[in-house]
Amino acid sequence: GAGVSQSPSNKVTEKGKDVELRCDPISGHTALYWYRQSLGQGLEFLIYFQGNSAPDKSGLPSDRFSAERTGGSVSTLTIQRTQQEDSAVYLCASSFSSSDYRTDTQYFGPGTRLTVL
Amino acid sequence: QQQVKQSPQSLIVQKGGISIINCAYENTAFDYFPWYQQFPGKGPALLIAIRPDVSEKKEGRFTISFNKSAKQFSLHIMDSQPGDSATYFCAAKSWRSRLTFGEGTQLTVNP
Repeated sequence: GAGVSQSPSNKVTEKGKDVELRCDPISGHTALYWYRQSLGQGLEFLIYFQGNSAPDKSGLPSDRFSAERTGGSVSTLTIQRTQQEDSAVYLCASSFSSSDYRTDTQYFGPGTRLTVL
Repeated sequence: QQQVKQSPQSLIVQKGGISIINCAYENTAFDYFPWYQQFPGKGPALLIAIRPDVSEKKEGRFTISFNKSAKQFSLHIMDSQPGDSATYFCAAKSWRSRLTFGEGTQLTVNP
């Protein structure tokens, strides 16, 4: 079946512009995560959606970052007034939210590489 | 606060050698320890995982060793191949916390 897809695969923007990154999770997955991966760095958690619950926004680095998930499926991560330090790969993951949290595997998309000039 | 520390940051191994990546955690509530493998241009993918009630788990050439008292776990790749060249992330999770990742190790296996 289809995996997690993200678009665009690459985005180059100018400092100060707004960008939107899209994530299409695996069908039937109720949990969706956004991560940021800077060059040579680990995975930085940004935000987590679980069904109709309020999202966990505890990882968003500033109020320039926001995300929404429409209809429990597609999610959009928006970065306003982009800065050069926002340059990174933004990864989306989804999971089924099985009853056993330990085996609730996150499946990652290929990411969107954002470059802010 | 970095709850999962991973080393080394990069590792170069000859084909056929053993690759060893180490991780240490702080939160004693963690009870699930997966490893993810990421190839260039791809997202991470689950490779192998272990629960703390066992000291070792093996799947093919990949083995996780777990030391609960030391709060450490490691990934061993036996007979390393050039196709194993990737970035490896350890991670940890508990029932009340989301998946927490280590910083990653970039593995290069030379032919």
